[in-house]
Amino acid sequence: EDQVTQSPEALRLQEGESSSLNCSYTVSGLRGLFWYRQDPGKGPEFLFTLYSAGEEKEKERLKATLTKKESFLHITAPKPEDSATYLCAVSAGSARQLTFGSGTQLTVLP
Amino acid sequence: GAGVSQTPSNKVTEKGKYVELRCDPISGHTALYWYRQSLGQGPEFLIYFQGTGAADDSGLPNDRFFAVRPEGSVSTLKIQRTERGDSAVYLCASSLRRGDTNNEQFFGPGTRLTVL
Repeated sequence: EDQVTQSPEALRLQEGESSSLNCSYTVSGLRGLFWYRQDPGKGPEFLFTLYSAGEEKEKERLKATLTKKESFLHITAPKPEDSATYLCAVSAGSARQLTFGSGTQLTVLP
Repeated sequence: GAGVSQTPSNKVTEKGKYVELRCDPISGHTALYWYRQSLGQGPEFLIYFQGTGAADDSGLPNDRFFAVRPEGSVSTLKIQRTERGDSAVYLCASSLRRGDTNNEQFFGPGTRLTVL
């Protein structure tokens, strides 16, 4: 059974204080690892897809990296508008659906 | 362009009633997914359509849940004899299936279902 574990569950940062969110996964035949951002009362918003170990992608203050066992979402000099829940998900084997972690709730204080 | 839309945004019903939740995917997306999200948890897969057919319904919790996509576009999730435990946010997502590639799924805003 595919498993995705995210840590920490919650993270509070001061504006400008860089940090990383972790997503560890156990799957059989990774097809892709996905990062989403979710604001309260809204659906998840797609951020990145990573397909193979060593791959990196960047978008504004966010950078996602992938190893064979985990992915990191690095947030550089965060701003209050980066506050949200960040979800990690995997697709594996022949399945097309995503298996999600429980998310990391990020709060960036001004 | 327009994203995934879901109606209603909120639905309050009584235990034992029947409900229908609607999803309009992004135009041209052939794959459509339903997920359910409880407070503090990530979305959990329910069912996946490729075109008109349900390609994988392994996530449906029991036979009270059913979904259709008769014309390969709009989908309806149907829940019979609702129970309080069905209360959650029901999310729909669509993706542009290209060959064997696993493509990004784009989510709608969700329908918040409350069963009293």
